[in-house]
Amino acid sequence: AQSVAQPEDQVNVAEGNPLTVKCTYSVSGNPYLFWYVQYPNRGLQFLLKYITGDNLVKGSYGFEAEFNKSQTSFHLKKPSALVSDSALYFCAVRGPSGGSYIPTFGRGTSLIVHP
Amino acid sequence: EAGVTQFPSHSVIEKGQTVTLRCDPISGHDNLYWYRRVMGKEIKFLLHFVKESKQDESGMPNNRFLAERTGGTYSTLKVQPAELEDSGVYFCASSQEREGGIDTEAFFGQGTRLTVV
Repeated sequence: AQSVAQPEDQVNVAEGNPLTVKCTYSVSGNPYLFWYVQYPNRGLQFLLKYITGDNLVKGSYGFEAEFNKSQTSFHLKKPSALVSDSALYFCAVRGPSGGSYIPTFGRGTSLIVHP
Repeated sequence: EAGVTQFPSHSVIEKGQTVTLRCDPISGHDNLYWYRRVMGKEIKFLLHFVKESKQDESGMPNNRFLAERTGGTYSTLKVQPAELEDSGVYFCASSQEREGGIDTEAFFGQGTRLTVV
């Protein structure tokens, strides 16, 4: 069975500082990893994904994530946080080939960026 | 291009009543998924359609939930009769067929917030 852990319910960071939202996963085989963001009263928006290739993945709004196979992690990062980045962030994982596209999501991490 | 749309955005019903949620996927997307998030918990998979066929409904909690996808276009999720524990946000998502073995990401609707009182 595949699973995702987002160990922090909430992350607080000052505007302009770097931010990290943590995600670890468990899956059989090579993982497909995703980050989504949910702004208030909006649906989930795709940020970035790792399928294969370079371990550092760049996505929307200046976000990036680093795939670390030995630590089974896929932490979301941004060098300089904006107040407008405040939202709920979800990490998701699914296994490789075969079957349907059914990612497993984490509980979500609320990011609060203070002015 | 229109995104995934869900209706209604909010619904408050009494225990024992029936509610039907609707999802219109992105045009041309064969894959349609329903998910549910209970407050503060993970987003849980409910079921997956490929066109009009149910590919996987292993996440459906019980037989009070019925999903349909008429003609492979929009989908409905009916809860009958609703119970208190059915409260949560119901998300719909759609995606294209996998291309060359590389998965395309899913696009989500804004969700329907269901409150059963």
